[in-house]
Amino acid sequence: DTAVSQTPKYLVTQMGNDKSIKCEQNLGHDTMYWYKQDSKKFLKIMFSYNNKELIINETVPNRFSPKSPDKAHLNLHINSLELGDSAVYFCASSLTWTGETQYFGPGTRLLVL
Amino acid sequence: QQQVKQSPQSLIVQKGGISIINCAYENTAFDYFPWYQQFPGKGPALLIAIRPDVSEKKEGRFTISFNKSAKQFSLHIMDSQPGDSATYFCAASGRFRSAKTSYDKVIFGPGTSLSVIP
Repeated sequence: DTAVSQTPKYLVTQMGNDKSIKCEQNLGHDTMYWYKQDSKKFLKIMFSYNNKELIINETVPNRFSPKSPDKAHLNLHINSLELGDSAVYFCASSLTWTGETQYFGPGTRLLVL
Repeated sequence: QQQVKQSPQSLIVQKGGISIINCAYENTAFDYFPWYQQFPGKGPALLIAIRPDVSEKKEGRFTISFNKSAKQFSLHIMDSQPGDSATYFCAASGRFRSAKTSYDKVIFGPGTSLSVIP
């Protein structure tokens, strides 16, 4: 009965490759997010979707493209991976777009070699 | 200014002691202040939250103190236990405007690594 799940949990890949991370929530929430947590544990929002509509798009390189096929899923595709993309990526969801109580997934640890 | 400042960066407390983490913000658009707790290898989880219309909120051993005029808020963990060892993030949520729409956004502080030693 996992609330917010992400796959894969670990991702090790070479520079220049393209990879995707999948996220699903079974909470019935309207809003989903992608966060990046760097090696210093700093947590920064990348994207937010409300009912499949993009509402927050921070200054993230165009190589990152979120896709929301339905409001329970928010996937993150990364093109031409760079060393600096190595981080933990967290998916989260909240009941509405008002930003209150966000439920985080377990994270995907991405290492770019 | 959308930044949230947090201190200390790391904290070591004896079991049974009080852990105190402080945060500060600038933007008066923020109107909801949650604290998240993150254990190693896990995602952050909401611990406790407060709105600026109250100065204090207590849930068990965890208390948020809020000073609206100073734009500061803090987390106090009473009777700290080794199981409290984790990274704590303060955050601030508020409504912002883009060219097309308004939206709520949560800004996280940089985190405090708490170690409670027996």
